[in-house]
Amino acid sequence: QKEVEQDPGPLSVPEGAIVSLNCTYSNSAFQYFMWYRQYSRKGPELLMYTYSSGNKEDGRFTAQVDKSSKYISLFIRDSQPSDSATYLCAMSAVSNYQLIWGAGTKLIIKP
Amino acid sequence: NAGVTQTPKFQVLKTGQSMTLQCAQDMNHNSMYWYRQDPGMGLRLIYYSASEGTTDKGEVPNGYNVSRLNKREFSLRLESAAPSQTSVYFCASSLGRGRNTEAFFGQGTRLTVV
Repeated sequence: QKEVEQDPGPLSVPEGAIVSLNCTYSNSAFQYFMWYRQYSRKGPELLMYTYSSGNKEDGRFTAQVDKSSKYISLFIRDSQPSDSATYLCAMSAVSNYQLIWGAGTKLIIKP
Repeated sequence: NAGVTQTPKFQVLKTGQSMTLQCAQDMNHNSMYWYRQDPGMGLRLIYYSASEGTTDKGEVPNGYNVSRLNKREFSLRLESAAPSQTSVYFCASSLGRGRNTEAFFGQGTRLTVV
């Protein structure tokens, strides 16, 4: 079993829909949680970073962490075709230098 | 502000050839990483350097060597390339560990071994 599980998709939704992307993890030592966006043929770029349970909002994006359930989510409101990309979750523990990655979910927003 | 710069962007090698992938960061980060990304496999860590002067193996180190040349630069060497090393390689850097593992990535090197 992988430490971080993420459905690879693809997830296809119409423009304007609310998108929910999720990861589950097994290591209760993880304290820091990130979402990266990766466009085709580009490097991943950091989208959201949280380090506590609860919600963090940035524009159309909301990151949610539930440590009791070992579950994190990324919500995208009013989705746009430009949001089409692969979204990767990543997390780390206090003593780690390495990030532990999900496999990434490919998201397609249809105009 | 360049961030993380990788060279080359593309490379084709014959089986058995060697090459070095270069990476440099200008963010004064302490830690640097080399990943490979293959379809359906996500990002897999090859080697990392927690700080200048140290290197450690990641998940898939076999067939690779690294050098942390100084704080800015971290190179990845393939001594005898194999078709299984065909992949996209990403270099990344971060401030350090724990809450500082937020990583910044280069644009990638697409390597094909024939």
